[in-house]
This record gives sequence, C-alpha cells and structure tokens, in this order.
Amino acid sequence: DQQVKQNSPSLSVQEGRISILNCDYTNSMFDYFLWYKKYPAEGPTFLISISSIKDKNEDGRFTVFLNKSAKHLSLHIVPSQPGDSAVYFCAASKELGTYKYIFGTGTRLKVLA
Amino acid sequence: GAVVSQHPSWVICKSGTSVKIECRSLDFQATTMFWYRQFPKQSLMLMATSNEGSKATYEQGVEKDKFLINHASLTLSTLTVTSAHPEDSSFYICSAKRGNQPQHFGDGTRLSIL
Repeated sequence: DQQVKQNSPSLSVQEGRISILNCDYTNSMFDYFLWYKKYPAEGPTFLISISSIKDKNEDGRFTVFLNKSAKHLSLHIVPSQPGDSAVYFCAASKELGTYKYIFGTGTRLKVLA
Repeated sequence: GAVVSQHPSWVICKSGTSVKIECRSLDFQATTMFWYRQFPKQSLMLMATSNEGSKATYEQGVEKDKFLINHASLTLSTLTVTSAHPEDSSFYICSAKRGNQPQHFGDGTRLSIL
C-alpha cells in the first residue's frame, strides 16, 4: 500500500518557467512533509519542509503548498534552472517528523535550456 | 549543511560473503540513523532505524539476522549484509538526524553480488 504517491514519473519544463511537482498521501495522521532532491549517484538532499499547521512554506525559489483536505502537496520552483534537473522525492511523517519518513516514488524533472 | 559520509560507494563481491557499509555524520552528533534500500525506479524503502547504544528497530519483512546494524557512537552506524546473495544487490542509503532536524543522507552504496 503506497501511502505517498507521486503520479508523474517525469516532467520537462523550459528554463525560467515554473516547475510544479505534485504529491498525494493517504494517511491523515501525517503531519510533516518534506521534499528532497536527488542527483544520480548521490544521496537525497533536503530542500524544504512543511508542517500541517501551515499551508505554505517558502524558501527562495522553492515553495511548498499543503492542502490537507485533499491530502495533497506540491513543490513549486520559480524560476526553473537547468541545475534543478534531478529526481524529486516527497516524504511524509507523523509526530512532526520524529516518526519515520515514507517516501514517494519520485519525479524526474528536466529543465530545458 | 550537514554532511553524512557513506563508505564504500560501490562494492562487488562474491555470493556468500559479508559486506559492511559505514555511515558517519561528519559535523553533528546524530541521535538517530536510518538505513534505506532503493531498487531501480522505486522509492527509498526504510529498512531499519538505529539509535545510539540501543538495538535497531527493523521494518516488517527485513531480516535482522541478515542485515546487522551497529550504532556504536553518535557519529557512526554500520550495516553488515551477511552471507550476501544476488538478490541482496541493491542501492543502500543511510541517513542521520539530530532531534527534530530533517534527515540528512549519505551518497549511498551500490552493492553488487555475483
């Protein structure tokens, strides 16, 4: 049972435009969500997180939106840059992140120059 | 940012041998370390959670006698794949966290069993 889903395995976006990566979850007990970025042959790198008491968190070009009623979160990257090309994983946790992380299957983003 | 070092990055060995993978947090003391396994084009699957000085907590379906975890200090955890077989070939990644901070990941170990 996949509790965290990223239904788009890949996404291509033109440089300078907005990239929107989506993630859905099924467990209403999740209260902490994270996005990680992964380059080939490297481990995931933490990007941004959000707790369920918020519906938006912003850090530079990266913004995460949380829609608790829809059990949906999204990562917006504006403007997209070629260096953003990577696989993006969303992860969900309980107890404000002290619980284990459940990862989605990832979305491969390609930013075209 | 926090740095987690994982070693080796790649190992090939014969079936039946044991392989040890090290995970070190270089610039912080990790209260908890995690070991994941990733199959091609799939998600990171948590294998076990390791707290310093105590026994690791294994996820359902993960054989604790097969995958031995030792968390000897706040900066070092090791995963030993015992009597490895071809089906154990995979990408193994560790992560470390301190308190409520996000997990920080190593670069992974690609294990190939011949």
